[in-house]
Amino acid sequence: KAGVTQTPRYLIKTRGQQVTLSCSPISGHRSVSWYQQTPGQGLQFLFEYFSETQRNKGNFPGRFSGRQFSNSRSEMNVSTLELGDSALYLCASSWGQGLTEAFFGQGTRLTVV
Amino acid sequence: AQTVTQSQPEMSVQEAETVTLSCTYDTSESDYYLFWYKQPPSRQMILVIRQEAYKQQNATENRFSVNFQKAAKSFSLKISDSQLGDAAMYFCASSRVNTDKLIFGTGTRLQVFP
Repeated sequence: KAGVTQTPRYLIKTRGQQVTLSCSPISGHRSVSWYQQTPGQGLQFLFEYFSETQRNKGNFPGRFSGRQFSNSRSEMNVSTLELGDSALYLCASSWGQGLTEAFFGQGTRLTVV
Repeated sequence: AQTVTQSQPEMSVQEAETVTLSCTYDTSESDYYLFWYKQPPSRQMILVIRQEAYKQQNATENRFSVNFQKAAKSFSLKISDSQLGDAAMYFCASSRVNTDKLIFGTGTRLQVFP
């Protein structure tokens, strides 16, 4: 059974650009959550999607957006990148019927220069 | 709002010994879940153990066990017979029921010495 797949694994972008990160959940999982991990702020919740609907949103500016497709794959987009957006972005998937276990992907390391 | 606090930035233990990692939390929810996640150098988060708040019995998974003190809002992780492969960052996390939103602590870096 394939795990959670995040693409790309590494990304370098320039300030002001936009970026799209992708997350393919474990087959059958309907819930996808996104987290930002930085040395200064730690692990912070970005969004949670269940059956194509955003169920929760973290305290991030509107430059951060996401969506979930009918096959449960999810994307997150960051527009007008800032240096402070450099981070490891982690995606987690689960069945979504109340939290049983969230399986995490290996993350996308985004560097903004 | 939920908060999770880990007051030990770093801990160390000798192989085969026992170590306890501390975690306190705050929540206004009557029912919730608590978790310990491990993040090795590969950066992939791995669930170590999970505790449902309504269960009084402490969760156990092989060498890993928790001490869940609901009144004190404390949730510590005990690792017995420590192994070199246990070296990692350990994150305590909480979640409300019926949501996958995890609130993480700041983490404890565990070093295991041979």
